[in-house]
This record gives sequence, structure tokens and C-alpha cells, in this order.
Amino acid sequence: DTEVTQTPKHLVMGMTNKKSLKCEQHMGHRAMYWYKQKAKKPPELMFVYSYEKLSINESVPSRFSPECPNSSLLNLHLHALQPEDSALYLCASSDPTGKRVNSPLHFGNGTRLTVT
Amino acid sequence: AQSVTQLDSHVSVSEGTPVLLRCNYSSSVSVYLFWYVQYPNQGLQLLLKYLSGSTLVKGINGFEAEFNKSQTSFHLRKPSVHISDTAEYFCAVTPTSGTYKYIFGTGTRLKVLA
Repeated sequence: DTEVTQTPKHLVMGMTNKKSLKCEQHMGHRAMYWYKQKAKKPPELMFVYSYEKLSINESVPSRFSPECPNSSLLNLHLHALQPEDSALYLCASSDPTGKRVNSPLHFGNGTRLTVT
Repeated sequence: AQSVTQLDSHVSVSEGTPVLLRCNYSSSVSVYLFWYVQYPNQGLQLLLKYLSGSTLVKGINGFEAEFNKSQTSFHLRKPSVHISDTAEYFCAVTPTSGTYKYIFGTGTRLKVLA
């Protein structure tokens, strides 16, 4: 069982739809991440929130809009996506407290997104 | 900047035999190192990590890795693989100086044959 929960597991959406991906963790981690993973490729970083503030935006198109309502929740709002945005979207968290910022990433099982 | 090279994109071995998955990295600063495993239709799961101390690191599921600073390598080993070890394995590094950026290798697909 993963400690990072992502919903939904699968999502099919048209290019004019608006949808949201959700991520939740209760490990007390204060850094949360969105990654995009294409088939047979490593994860690519999209966004990082640290202490509920956006720390990193890897030049992601504005059709992806992240939101961190509180320390346990992370959303990714999707609008006007393209078929090439079809991928596995992974949420992760880490504990940046203490001496080490770079604690291991804890991943959810992802949302498999298909854009038609 | 950092980079990670996983030297084998695919490895096939028979059940019960040892396996070595190779990872080399390049960095001008000190790094922490990780191995992750990804089973089909799942996220990445941490196998083991090197943060400091002993260069031989033991992880879950019988895996271990050895950090070699002079060769900038962090190879993953398992003495006897099981069919359930069939998965994608990713090596990753991140600078010790404080950043949220993790650099992943391109992955090694391990197939264990019966």
C-alpha cells in the first residue's frame, strides 16, 4: 500500500474538458511534487510545492494548473489538453525538514490520463 | 549540473541467478543517491538510498547497492532474483546542498525468466 493516494486511477478527457487530479498524503511531508511520465521513460518534474508555496515550475504549459490547498493535499487542474499530454501523472512527497532537504521521494500510484 | 547514466536499458536473467544493474552519475557537487523500482501500472517505490556512511547499502526485497565515489557509480545487486522482481528500475541523484530536483536515469527494464 502506498502512503500517497492519487485519484482517479484512470481519466479519459476530451481536449475541451476541464478535470482535476488529486493527491493526498498524511506523512506530514511538507514538499509535494507533480511528475509526468511517458511510457518507458523516467518521470519528468512539473511542479514542486514546499510548505504550500509553489517552489518550482518547470516551464509547464498553462493548461496545467497546480494547487496546494493545505499541507496534505495537492491538485492538478487540467484544461484544454492536447493528445500529447496523455501520460501517467505521478504525485510525490518528501520531508524537507531537519538537516536534509532531499529526503527520498514517496510516490503515489499515479493517474493514467488519456486525452482524446 | 548532474546526470545519471544507466548502462543497460534491458536485462534478462533466469530466476535464482544474480543480477547487476549499473548506474553511473556525473556531478560537480556531492549527491545523495537512490534506487527506485516501478512495477507495471504503479508508481515508483524506493528500494534503497545512500545519504552518508557505509558505502554498502541494503534495501528492501534483498537488494543492495554499493556507492563508489571514485568511479561515480551506484550499482544495484541482488544475489538471487525472483520472477516478481520483473520491473523497471530507476537510479536517481539529488545534490546534498538543498534542492527539490531529483535527476533520474533512463531506467533498466529487468525481466526475470522462469
